[in-house]
Amino acid sequence: QSALTQPASVSGSPGQSITISCTGTSSDLGTYNYVSWYQHHPGKAPKLMIYDVSNRPSGVSNRFSGSKSGNTASLTISGLQAEDEADYYCSSYTTSSTWVFGGGTKLTVL
Amino acid sequence: QVQLQESRPGLVKPSETLSLTCTVSGGSISTYYWSWIRQPPGKGLEWIGYIYYSGSTKYNPSLKSRVTISVETSKSQFSLKLRSVTAADTAVYYCARSSDSGSYFLHWGQGTLVTVSS
Repeated sequence: QSALTQPASVSGSPGQSITISCTGTSSDLGTYNYVSWYQHHPGKAPKLMIYDVSNRPSGVSNRFSGSKSGNTASLTISGLQAEDEADYYCSSYTTSSTWVFGGGTKLTVL
Repeated sequence: QVQLQESRPGLVKPSETLSLTCTVSGGSISTYYWSWIRQPPGKGLEWIGYIYYSGSTKYNPSLKSRVTISVETSKSQFSLKLRSVTAADTAVYYCARSSDSGSYFLHWGQGTLVTVSS
């Protein structure tokens, strides 16, 4: 199985909005709405930010939102804050009953 | 609060077997999907495989020939064995628990660095 495709890096200034894309195939996120997003600060456990494409767990800021169109999912962070600087990974269930992650996107808050 | 803690084997020699255990506390291991996920230095996350509490397993096709995941419900633990390791298996290894629906990874361990070197 191939990793989902994410941009290596994105950046934005405080207060701005950014969007991270995650492109898969009809064998994964194109078929299922089991797309999730994780925030990862180095040395810490990844944290769930979005599940099932667009749902936010309790405790996650409403500045984080998710969507999907066809084979591409997106994570949008509005009102960027310094604490949002981290690596972000998407993940999808696949038609082989396995899981696949994206390569990760490093978010820099300028 | 559910907590997962990986064991810390540290260093494993090339060609040997990497063995990790994840201990679950604050919740029952007798449900949910329990996964192993790794992150090689400078690279992204890679799903290794999962075990359902009943014992059924599924593995990443790229690792399937070398991986075994098992569960010991009486000890609230599940384990990973990765055979014939090479330097490419050097990574931070995470254990994780699925959501009730099984559609995402809700709880994660802190991760443990395993280095493959002679």
